[in-house]
Amino acid sequence: SYVLTQPPSVSVAPGQTARITCGGNNIGSKGVHWSQQKPGQAPVLVVYDDSDRPSGIPERFSGSNSGNTATLTISRVEAGDEADYYCQVWDSSSDHGVFGGGTKLTVL
Amino acid sequence: QMQLVQSGPEVKKPGTSVKVSCKASGFTFTRSAVQWVRQARGQRLEWIGWIVVGYGNTNYAQKFQERVTITRDVSTNTVYMELSSLKSEDTAVYYCASSYCGGGSCSYFDPWGQGTLVTVSS
Repeated sequence: SYVLTQPPSVSVAPGQTARITCGGNNIGSKGVHWSQQKPGQAPVLVVYDDSDRPSGIPERFSGSNSGNTATLTISRVEAGDEADYYCQVWDSSSDHGVFGGGTKLTVL
Repeated sequence: QMQLVQSGPEVKKPGTSVKVSCKASGFTFTRSAVQWVRQARGQRLEWIGWIVVGYGNTNYAQKFQERVTITRDVSTNTVYMELSSLKSEDTAVYYCASSYCGGGSCSYFDPWGQGTLVTVSS
C-alpha cells in the first residue's frame, strides 16, 4: 500500500515561513491535498491538487509537489495557524484514500 | 452552502454494531462520493472506505473489509456507515467527507462532517 511520510512536528516563530513536507514514492505524479485540523474540530481543506486554494483560504497557504516530496508552505505564520496538518492522496492502484501521519505546527 | 451533518455520539458495547449517518445539504449528493475516515484520540486520520452515491458502488480499506458497510438513501440525501463486531480499539471520532470519484481516482475531501464520537466500552 502507498505510504505518506510527514515530520511529526514543525515549529516556527510568528511572521516566519513554515514548510511541512510529505514524502511518498513518486508523489509528484499524484495530486496532493492538505487539510488543517485544530483541536476538537473536523479537518478543513487548505490546499488541493498540489497548489490550489479553496475559497476563503488565505494566500499565505501554498503548495508544491515534485519528485518524491510535496510541500505545504505557510507564509507570515500567525498564532491561529497552530494546528495539525495532514497530506492526502488517492492511491489509484488500490482505489483507496491515503493520509500522511500528520504534522503538528507550533507557533513559538 | 455545502454542508455535511452527522448523527450524534454513540456508546456501544464490544461485539455490537454502530451505524453513523451523514446528511448532505446545499449540493447535489448523487453526483458525489462520500468518504469515511476515523481518528482515535491523539492519532492520525485513518481512511475507512467510500461510496459513489449515484451508483451505490463501494470500496473499503482491507483493515475494515469484513466489518464495515457503507450505504446510501438518495431520497433523503443521507449516507450511512455501519461498523460491526466492535472492539475497544474502534473508539474514535468518525468523519464523513464529500469528494468526486471518476476515471479511477477520487478528488480531495471537502467538505467534512462535524464528526461522530463512537465509544466502545463494556
